[in-house]
Amino acid sequence: DQQVKQNSPSLSVQEGRISILNCDYTNSMFDYFLWYKKYPAEGPTFLISISSIKDKNEDGRFTVFLNKSAKHLSLHIVPSQPGDSAVYFCAASGRGAQKLVFGQGTRLTINP
Amino acid sequence: GAVVSQHPSWVICKSGTSVKIECRSLDFQATTMFWYRQFPKQSLMLMATSNEGSKATYEQGVEKDKFLINHASLTLSTLTVTSAHPEDSSFYICSARAGSQQETQYFGPGTRLLVL
Repeated sequence: DQQVKQNSPSLSVQEGRISILNCDYTNSMFDYFLWYKKYPAEGPTFLISISSIKDKNEDGRFTVFLNKSAKHLSLHIVPSQPGDSAVYFCAASGRGAQKLVFGQGTRLTINP
Repeated sequence: GAVVSQHPSWVICKSGTSVKIECRSLDFQATTMFWYRQFPKQSLMLMATSNEGSKATYEQGVEKDKFLINHASLTLSTLTVTSAHPEDSSFYICSARAGSQQETQYFGPGTRLLVL
């Protein structure tokens, strides 16, 4: 049972435009959400997070939105840059839980 | 951010042999390390949580006798795939947590295992 889902395996965006990556979850006990970025042959690196008490968190070009009622979160990257091309994973954890549950990842390609 | 290394990065072995993968936190002490497995185009699936000095906690469906985890020090955890079979071929990735927050979980570069 996939508790965290990223339904788009890939996304292609023009440089300078906005990239929107989506993630859905099913477990209502999740209360903390994170986005990771992964380049080939490297481990995921932390990008941005959001707690369930918020609906938006912004860090430079990256903004994460959380819609608890819809159990949906999204990552916005604006403006998109070629270096943003990577696989993006969303992950979730429950209150007090050590472990993270990951989505399948979305491969983002930024075209010049 | 903090650095986590894995060794080897690539391993090819014959069916029935055992393979050991090392995960090291290079510039911090990690009381908790995690082992994940990723099949092509799928998510990172947590296999086990390893706390220094104690037995690992395995996720449902992961055979603890097949995937032996040792976390003998604050900077090293090992995963041994015993009697490997072709279906064990996968990308194994570890992470180490430097603090109590999830953002402090740092990932290694992964080890690709191919069992012939």
